[in-house]
Amino acid sequence: GAVVSQHPSRVICKSGTSVKIECRSLDFQATTMFWYRQFPKQSLMLMATSNEGSKATYEQGVEKDKFLINHASLTLSTLTVTSAHPEDSSFYICSARQGGRAFFGQGTRLTVV
Amino acid sequence: GQQLNQSPQSMFIQEGEDVSMNCTSSSIFNTWLWYKQDPGEGPVLLIALYKAGELTSNGRLTAQFGITRKDSFLNISASIPSDVGIYFCAGQLGGGADGLTFGKGTHLIIQP
Repeated sequence: GAVVSQHPSRVICKSGTSVKIECRSLDFQATTMFWYRQFPKQSLMLMATSNEGSKATYEQGVEKDKFLINHASLTLSTLTVTSAHPEDSSFYICSARQGGRAFFGQGTRLTVV
Repeated sequence: GQQLNQSPQSMFIQEGEDVSMNCTSSSIFNTWLWYKQDPGEGPVLLIALYKAGELTSNGRLTAQFGITRKDSFLNISASIPSDVGIYFCAGQLGGGADGLTFGKGTHLIIQP
């Protein structure tokens, strides 16, 4: 299947700082990528849809000014968690679609202390 | 919004047993997908279903897309220790621009 790479896999940051997470499609181009959040022992919840060359579309309840998404190329989308707080600690996972199938990155474990 | 009801929530089985889990929805989906997630990892796609009534196999795994397009099941035959993990169903409403709606997951535990 297609390969989606996410970096970093783990990050610990201080409260109030910003963290950037990268999502790359390694062997295909993706005009659309998706960002999900998963709290412990819970399911994945769609946060936003990242569109290459245009603004991201956010799901209801997700603050666009807090979770900045940039999709500057056909192989890279970034999610920046701004002014992070402990409640933002979670597992963030990106996804890109190829041939009708959604492939996921390895996920980023964010811990805000 | 759409919701997927996945059951059972967890399963404790013996190695070699068959496993069955299912998802139902209040909405119609055009695509159903089944994923497996290991701790600390992203979900890995197991089976994708695109047509109502479609029955697809991937090794010991078999999944079906319900005729009403509101349900799907996943069967695992002759379970082995590496089948342990959390299995998620996911539905997609439309085409490539839509994200996925996930079920709450089925935690499979295999006792030796």
